[in-house]
Amino acid sequence: DTEVTQTPKHLVMGMTNKKSLKCEQHMGHRAMYWYKQKAKKPPELMFVYSYEKLSINESVPSRFSPECPNSSLLNLHLHALQPEDSALYLCASSPLQGRYYGYTFGSGTRLTVV
Amino acid sequence: EDQVTQSPEALRLQEGESSSLNCSYTVSGLRGLFWYRQDPGKGPEFLFTLYSAGEEKEKERLKATLTKKESFLHITAPKPEDSATYLCAVHPQGGSEKLVFGKGTKLTVNP
Repeated sequence: DTEVTQTPKHLVMGMTNKKSLKCEQHMGHRAMYWYKQKAKKPPELMFVYSYEKLSINESVPSRFSPECPNSSLLNLHLHALQPEDSALYLCASSPLQGRYYGYTFGSGTRLTVV
Repeated sequence: EDQVTQSPEALRLQEGESSSLNCSYTVSGLRGLFWYRQDPGKGPEFLFTLYSAGEEKEKERLKATLTKKESFLHITAPKPEDSATYLCAVHPQGGSEKLVFGKGTKLTVNP
């Protein structure tokens, strides 16, 4: 299995809703990432988990709350979002060890906040 | 500060017209340089990792090369299905797992 699976593919939520994005990989990668991507822009890093511990938080607002329940799963909990948070949210993973490595991205969740 | 600059921002080619995309980078040390292809509304698809100057990698019509300051993605005899945005990213040395992305080159191949 060489994939990163993200669910749901599309999500529309109101500003008072609570929702979660899910990400799963079975490649044995020990680093997992959340990126946010706006149209015609490169991905922007939000969070990094290394060995299931949060290692990087790019000063993301607290309305985004990441969680890494185990080495295969990564969640992003959303609460009280703003319309400007509408974007493509990407999950990625990498093996952390070994010289030959690559970052594998999921297909993303298209989030619309209304 | 680590920086990645891609050029051109957009490129239009006729089918079969070969060309190159450029990725210039400034980092204190390089762990790896990545090329990705991204289709609209999809996640980036991994193409290549390059580690040291002089390294080259090929996949179908694509060939990536690396020097100490830049990388090129050469596209030979492109087809319309090669139309996509091509992203370059570098992984600086220093222990952080943060990639530095360029803004991408949007390639359109006309039949």
